[in-house]
Amino acid sequence: AQKITQTQPGMFVQEKEAVTLDCTYDTSDPSYGLFWYKQPSSGEMIFLIYQGSYDQQNATEGRYSLNFQKARKSANLVISASQLGDSAMYFCAMRERSGSGNTPLVFGKGTRLSVIA
Amino acid sequence: EPEVTQTPSHQVTQMGQEVILRCVPISNHLYFYWYRQILGQKVEFLVSFYNNEISEKSEIFDDQFSVERPDGSNFTLKIRSTKLEDSAMYFCASSEREGLETQYFGPGTRLLVL
Repeated sequence: AQKITQTQPGMFVQEKEAVTLDCTYDTSDPSYGLFWYKQPSSGEMIFLIYQGSYDQQNATEGRYSLNFQKARKSANLVISASQLGDSAMYFCAMRERSGSGNTPLVFGKGTRLSVIA
Repeated sequence: EPEVTQTPSHQVTQMGQEVILRCVPISNHLYFYWYRQILGQKVEFLVSFYNNEISEKSEIFDDQFSVERPDGSNFTLKIRSTKLEDSAMYFCASSEREGLETQYFGPGTRLLVL
């Protein structure tokens, strides 16, 4: 079963508008972390934002915020005031605490965001 | 700002050849990882490494793969006998602590097996 689901293969947004990228996850572990990474066309993976399962507040990092709805098991990324440089692939990922301390990230299939001038 | 570095950025090899992909994790990080991303697909976990031992490995990480920390700074992934399906982007990542710490990724090595 998919642990991370990103249902939007592609999204378009007008420059300066806000956009929400969807992510739902599946885990029975009470302790987990949710991450968003950005992958521009050059290929590198850039960490954007983190949300812990016990965090009371939604995470924010500059123009990025994470809309964390624990009961719905969703962790949507909100990008405010989109810029042309935001055009990239965006991956949602999760780490679970169970198992060894060195647990891997599990990634979704990604959403390709295109920002239009 | 400290970052993970990887060399080479691109590698082309013949099927059956051995390749070694190199990574220098962030200096105070203790936990290291390799992931791969086949073109157009999602990022997949290969192996995690701590204290000179493999912590976890995926089904992809079979006997043709090995990892090593040959000195205090480098972390390598060796593919003994490359196959066409090994063509992918290979990412090294590191984290400072265990648990739910953020993993920081290197820029990747794009491997093409002919």
